[in-house]
Amino acid sequence: AQRVTQPEKLLSVFKGAPVELKCNYSYSGSPELFWYVQYSRQRLQLLLRHISRESIKGFTADLNKGETSFHLKKPFAQEEDSAMYYCALNGIYNQGGKLIFGQGTELSVKP
Amino acid sequence: DAGVTQSPTHLIKTRGQHVTLRCSPISGHKSVSWYQQVLGQGPQFIFQYYEKEERGRGNFPDRFSARQFPNYSSELNVNALLLGDSALYLCASSTPPGQVNTEAFFGQGTRLTVV
Repeated sequence: AQRVTQPEKLLSVFKGAPVELKCNYSYSGSPELFWYVQYSRQRLQLLLRHISRESIKGFTADLNKGETSFHLKKPFAQEEDSAMYYCALNGIYNQGGKLIFGQGTELSVKP
Repeated sequence: DAGVTQSPTHLIKTRGQHVTLRCSPISGHKSVSWYQQVLGQGPQFIFQYYEKEERGRGNFPDRFSARQFPNYSSELNVNALLLGDSALYLCASSTPPGQVNTEAFFGQGTRLTVV
Protein backbone atom coordinates (compact mmCIF):
# COMPACT_ATOMS: atom_id res chain seq x y z
CA ALA A 1 0.00 0.00 0.00
CA GLN A 2 1.14 3.54 -0.71
CA ARG A 3 1.59 5.57 2.44
CA VAL A 4 3.39 8.69 3.63
CA THR A 5 4.23 9.14 7.29
CA GLN A 6 5.25 12.36 8.98
CA PRO A 7 5.92 11.40 12.59
CA GLU A 8 5.91 14.91 14.06
CA LYS A 9 2.72 16.96 14.19
CA LEU A 10 4.55 19.99 15.56
CA LEU A 11 8.18 21.03 15.39
CA SER A 12 9.25 24.11 17.29
CA VAL A 13 12.72 25.64 16.86
CA PHE A 14 14.42 28.96 17.47
CA LYS A 15 15.47 31.26 14.66
CA GLY A 16 18.87 30.27 13.31
CA ALA A 17 18.60 26.66 14.47
CA PRO A 18 18.74 23.75 12.01
CA VAL A 19 15.48 22.17 10.97
CA GLU A 20 14.68 18.64 9.84
CA LEU A 21 11.13 17.61 9.02
CA LYS A 22 10.86 13.86 8.70
CA CYS A 23 9.04 11.97 6.00
CA ASN A 24 8.92 8.24 5.40
CA TYR A 25 7.08 6.56 2.60
CA SER A 26 5.84 3.13 1.64
CA TYR A 27 5.76 2.30 -2.06
CA SER A 28 6.92 -0.74 -3.98
CA GLY A 29 8.09 1.03 -7.12
CA SER A 30 10.02 4.23 -7.85
CA PRO A 31 8.02 7.06 -6.37
CA GLU A 32 8.06 10.73 -7.14
CA LEU A 33 8.27 12.70 -3.89
CA PHE A 34 7.37 16.27 -3.05
CA TRP A 35 7.24 18.72 -0.20
CA TYR A 36 4.26 21.08 -0.17
CA VAL A 37 3.97 24.07 2.14
CA GLN A 38 1.00 26.05 3.37
CA TYR A 39 1.69 29.44 4.92
CA SER A 40 -0.96 31.06 7.09
CA ARG A 41 -4.04 32.05 5.06
CA GLN A 42 -2.45 30.89 1.80
CA ARG A 43 -3.09 27.97 -0.45
CA LEU A 44 -1.07 24.80 -0.56
CA GLN A 45 1.93 25.21 -2.83
CA LEU A 46 4.83 23.12 -4.06
CA LEU A 47 8.09 23.71 -2.21
CA LEU A 48 10.33 21.20 -3.90
CA ARG A 49 10.43 17.81 -5.62
CA HIS A 50 13.08 15.13 -5.38
CA ILE A 51 13.63 14.94 -9.15
CA SER A 52 14.77 18.56 -9.34
CA ARG A 53 17.39 18.12 -6.60
CA GLU A 54 17.27 21.86 -6.00
CA SER A 55 17.29 24.11 -2.97
CA ILE A 56 14.23 26.31 -2.48
CA LYS A 57 14.22 29.02 0.21
CA GLY A 58 17.24 27.26 1.71
CA PHE A 59 15.42 23.95 2.03
CA THR A 60 16.76 20.70 0.58
CA ALA A 61 15.47 17.15 0.62
CA ASP A 62 17.24 13.98 -0.42
CA LEU A 63 15.47 10.80 -1.40
CA ASN A 64 16.90 7.82 0.46
CA LYS A 65 15.45 4.72 -1.14
CA GLY A 66 17.17 2.40 1.32
CA GLU A 67 15.51 4.07 4.29
CA THR A 68 12.42 5.05 2.25
CA SER A 69 12.77 8.60 3.53
CA PHE A 70 12.57 12.10 2.10
CA HIS A 71 13.42 14.38 5.01
CA LEU A 72 13.28 18.17 4.54
CA LYS A 73 16.22 20.12 5.91
CA LYS A 74 17.31 23.69 6.38
CA PRO A 75 20.51 24.68 8.16
CA PHE A 76 19.25 27.96 9.63
CA ALA A 77 15.52 28.42 10.23
CA GLN A 78 13.87 31.80 9.71
CA GLU A 79 10.65 33.07 11.27
CA GLU A 80 9.04 33.24 7.84
CA ASP A 81 9.51 29.47 7.52
CA SER A 82 6.69 28.96 10.05
CA ALA A 83 4.01 27.02 8.17
CA MET A 84 2.42 23.60 7.65
CA TYR A 85 4.60 21.25 5.65
CA TYR A 86 3.26 18.20 3.84
CA CYS A 87 5.27 15.42 2.31
CA ALA A 88 3.57 13.85 -0.70
CA LEU A 89 4.10 10.87 -2.96
CA ASN A 90 3.10 10.38 -6.54
CA GLY A 91 3.13 6.70 -7.30
CA ILE A 92 2.73 7.15 -11.02
CA TYR A 93 5.47 9.19 -12.62
CA ASN A 94 4.39 12.55 -13.92
CA GLN A 95 0.73 12.06 -13.10
CA GLY A 96 0.67 15.37 -11.32
CA GLY A 97 -2.62 15.25 -9.56
CA LYS A 98 -2.64 11.86 -7.83
CA LEU A 99 -0.82 12.71 -4.67
CA ILE A 100 -0.70 10.83 -1.41
CA PHE A 101 -0.04 13.19 1.47
CA GLY A 102 1.30 12.72 4.96
CA GLN A 103 -0.59 14.20 7.89
CA GLY A 104 1.62 17.27 7.90
CA THR A 105 4.09 18.88 10.30
CA GLU A 106 3.56 22.33 11.68
CA LEU A 107 6.85 24.18 11.86
CA SER A 108 7.04 27.01 14.35
CA VAL A 109 10.14 29.17 14.31
CA LYS A 110 10.47 31.34 17.39
CA PRO A 111 12.42 34.61 17.46
CA ASP B 1 -3.49 34.45 -13.88
CA ALA B 2 -6.16 33.90 -11.23
CA GLY B 3 -4.90 30.45 -10.38
CA VAL B 4 -7.23 27.63 -9.47
CA THR B 5 -10.57 29.00 -8.30
CA GLN B 6 -13.13 27.16 -6.21
CA SER B 7 -16.67 28.01 -5.26
CA PRO B 8 -18.24 28.44 -2.86
CA THR B 9 -15.62 29.20 -0.21
CA HIS B 10 -17.84 28.08 2.67
CA LEU B 11 -20.95 25.96 2.82
CA ILE B 12 -23.20 24.62 5.55
CA LYS B 13 -25.45 21.66 4.79
CA THR B 14 -27.71 19.34 6.75
CA ARG B 15 -27.21 15.60 7.03
CA GLY B 16 -28.78 13.76 4.11
CA GLN B 17 -28.55 16.70 1.74
CA HIS B 18 -26.63 16.90 -1.51
CA VAL B 19 -23.78 19.29 -2.29
CA THR B 20 -22.00 20.43 -5.45
CA LEU B 21 -18.57 22.02 -5.33
CA ARG B 22 -17.01 23.73 -8.32
CA CYS B 23 -13.49 24.22 -9.58
CA SER B 24 -11.94 26.17 -12.45
CA PRO B 25 -8.41 25.12 -13.36
CA ILE B 26 -5.54 27.30 -14.44
CA SER B 27 -5.85 28.24 -18.10
CA GLY B 28 -4.22 25.55 -20.21
CA HIS B 29 -4.46 22.84 -17.55
CA LYS B 30 -6.56 19.91 -18.60
CA SER B 31 -6.22 17.78 -15.48
CA VAL B 32 -8.23 18.40 -12.32
CA SER B 33 -7.97 16.51 -9.04
CA TRP B 34 -10.08 16.65 -5.90
CA TYR B 35 -8.91 16.14 -2.33
CA GLN B 36 -10.62 16.01 1.05
CA GLN B 37 -8.77 17.47 4.02
CA VAL B 38 -10.20 16.71 7.42
CA LEU B 39 -9.01 18.94 10.25
CA GLY B 40 -5.59 17.88 11.47
CA GLN B 41 -4.92 15.58 8.53
CA GLY B 42 -3.24 15.87 5.16
CA PRO B 43 -5.27 16.07 1.97
CA GLN B 44 -6.71 12.74 0.82
CA PHE B 45 -7.07 12.02 -2.90
CA ILE B 46 -10.67 11.61 -4.12
CA PHE B 47 -10.66 11.86 -7.94
CA GLN B 48 -8.54 12.86 -10.90
CA TYR B 49 -10.04 13.86 -14.24
CA TYR B 50 -8.21 14.44 -17.49
CA GLU B 51 -9.86 15.33 -20.77
CA LYS B 52 -13.26 14.72 -19.14
CA GLU B 53 -12.41 11.15 -18.22
CA GLU B 54 -11.87 9.78 -14.74
CA ARG B 55 -8.21 8.82 -14.42
CA GLY B 56 -8.15 7.81 -10.79
CA ARG B 57 -10.32 7.37 -7.75
CA GLY B 58 -9.37 7.24 -4.11
CA ASN B 59 -10.97 5.19 -1.37
CA PHE B 60 -14.27 7.06 -1.13
CA PRO B 61 -17.85 5.74 -1.22
CA ASP B 62 -20.09 5.99 -4.27
CA ARG B 63 -21.81 8.96 -2.65
CA PHE B 64 -18.90 10.93 -4.05
CA SER B 65 -18.90 11.63 -7.77
CA ALA B 66 -17.36 14.15 -10.09
CA ARG B 67 -17.27 15.26 -13.65
CA GLN B 68 -15.23 17.48 -15.91
CA PHE B 69 -16.66 19.78 -18.53
CA PRO B 70 -15.40 20.67 -22.04
CA ASN B 71 -13.80 23.83 -20.66
CA TYR B 72 -11.94 21.61 -18.14
CA SER B 73 -13.77 22.98 -15.11
CA SER B 74 -15.00 20.35 -12.71
CA GLU B 75 -17.73 19.61 -10.19
CA LEU B 76 -17.54 17.39 -7.14
CA ASN B 77 -20.88 16.03 -5.95
CA VAL B 78 -21.58 14.41 -2.62
CA ASN B 79 -24.94 12.78 -1.92
CA ALA B 80 -26.55 11.83 1.37
CA LEU B 81 -24.18 13.96 3.41
CA LEU B 82 -22.85 12.62 6.68
CA LEU B 83 -21.37 14.56 9.58
CA GLY B 84 -18.03 12.97 8.71
CA ASP B 85 -18.05 14.66 5.30
CA SER B 86 -17.29 17.95 7.03
CA ALA B 87 -13.90 18.97 5.67
CA LEU B 88 -11.96 21.31 3.43
CA TYR B 89 -12.31 20.18 -0.17
CA LEU B 90 -9.37 21.08 -2.35
CA CYS B 91 -9.16 21.18 -6.09
CA ALA B 92 -5.85 21.01 -7.94
CA SER B 93 -5.08 21.47 -11.59
CA SER B 94 -2.00 20.24 -13.35
CA THR B 95 -0.42 19.94 -16.74
CA PRO B 96 -1.24 16.80 -18.69
CA PRO B 97 0.00 13.48 -17.33
CA GLY B 98 3.34 12.45 -18.77
CA GLN B 99 4.82 15.91 -19.10
CA VAL B 100 8.15 16.54 -17.46
CA ASN B 101 7.97 18.20 -14.05
CA THR B 102 4.21 18.21 -13.92
CA GLU B 103 3.02 20.09 -10.84
CA ALA B 104 -0.29 20.29 -9.01
CA PHE B 105 -1.58 23.81 -8.29
CA PHE B 106 -4.15 24.02 -5.53
CA GLY B 107 -7.16 26.22 -5.02
CA GLN B 108 -8.10 27.83 -1.71
CA GLY B 109 -10.63 25.15 -1.02
CA THR B 110 -14.29 24.93 -0.06
CA ARG B 111 -14.99 24.53 3.65
CA LEU B 112 -18.01 22.20 3.98
CA THR B 113 -19.74 21.88 7.32
CA VAL B 114 -22.43 19.23 7.73
CA VAL B 115 -24.78 19.73 10.69
